[in-house]
Amino acid sequence: GDSVTQMEGPVTLSEEAFLTINCTYTATGYPSLFWYVQYPGEGLQLLLKATKADDKGSNKGFEATYRKETTSFHLEKGSVQVSDSAVYFCALYTSYDKVIFGPGTSLSVIP
Amino acid sequence: EAQVTQNPRYLITVTGKKLTVTCSQNMNHEYMSWYRQDPGLGLRQIYYSMNVEVTDKGDVPEGYKVSRKEKRNFPLILESPSPNQTSLYFCASMGATWGHADTQYFGPGTRLTVL
Repeated sequence: GDSVTQMEGPVTLSEEAFLTINCTYTATGYPSLFWYVQYPGEGLQLLLKATKADDKGSNKGFEATYRKETTSFHLEKGSVQVSDSAVYFCALYTSYDKVIFGPGTSLSVIP
Repeated sequence: EAQVTQNPRYLITVTGKKLTVTCSQNMNHEYMSWYRQDPGLGLRQIYYSMNVEVTDKGDVPEGYKVSRKEKRNFPLILESPSPNQTSLYFCASMGATWGHADTQYFGPGTRLTVL
C-alpha cells in the first residue's frame, strides 16, 4: 500500500546550520507531496507543496523537490533559526481524498 | 479570519461515557477530515467527508462515528470511549480542487484522555 517514510529524529542543530530531513514515499499513480509544520501546542500548517514530478516547493527559506525517479521529497534549509524548532511532517496525497502522513521529525535549533 | 475550530481543547473522561468533539470551519470547504496523532505514528486519518451527507472511513475508524449534516460542521463521536483512544485529535478542512489534492487547514487540536 501507499506509505511515507521520514527520518524520525529528534534532530538537534546549531543556529545557521544546514538542515535536511529525508522523506521517501511509495504510491501508485501521481501523488501530490506536502510538508507540514507543527509548532509547540499548535495544529499543523502547510509549509510547502509540489503536485508533479520535478516541481520545487519553497517557503520561508525551506525547499523540497519532487523526485519521481527516487520517490523522494527531502526538506532542506540553508540556515536554520531557533524559531524553526518544530515537528515537520511529510504527507502524501494519493488522490483527492486519501491522505497519508509520515511519523514526523522533531527539530530543535539551539543558539 | 479563515479558521477551523474544535471544542473542547482538552477533555478527560472515563471509559464508556459517550462524548462528542465538535469541529467547524468558516471557509465553505467541501472536504473535512479527522486525524489522531500519537507519538511515533504521525497522523492517522479516522474519517473524512467529501460533502454534506457523504462520509467514509480512513485508516483507523474503529470506535468512532462522524456525521456531516451541514457543510461547516463535522463532529467526531465516541460512543463508548476506551483508554486506547487517548490521543491528540485534529480536524481539518480543504477546498474542492478537481483533479488533485489541495492544502488542508487544521484546527488547534483536542487532547483527549480516557481513564
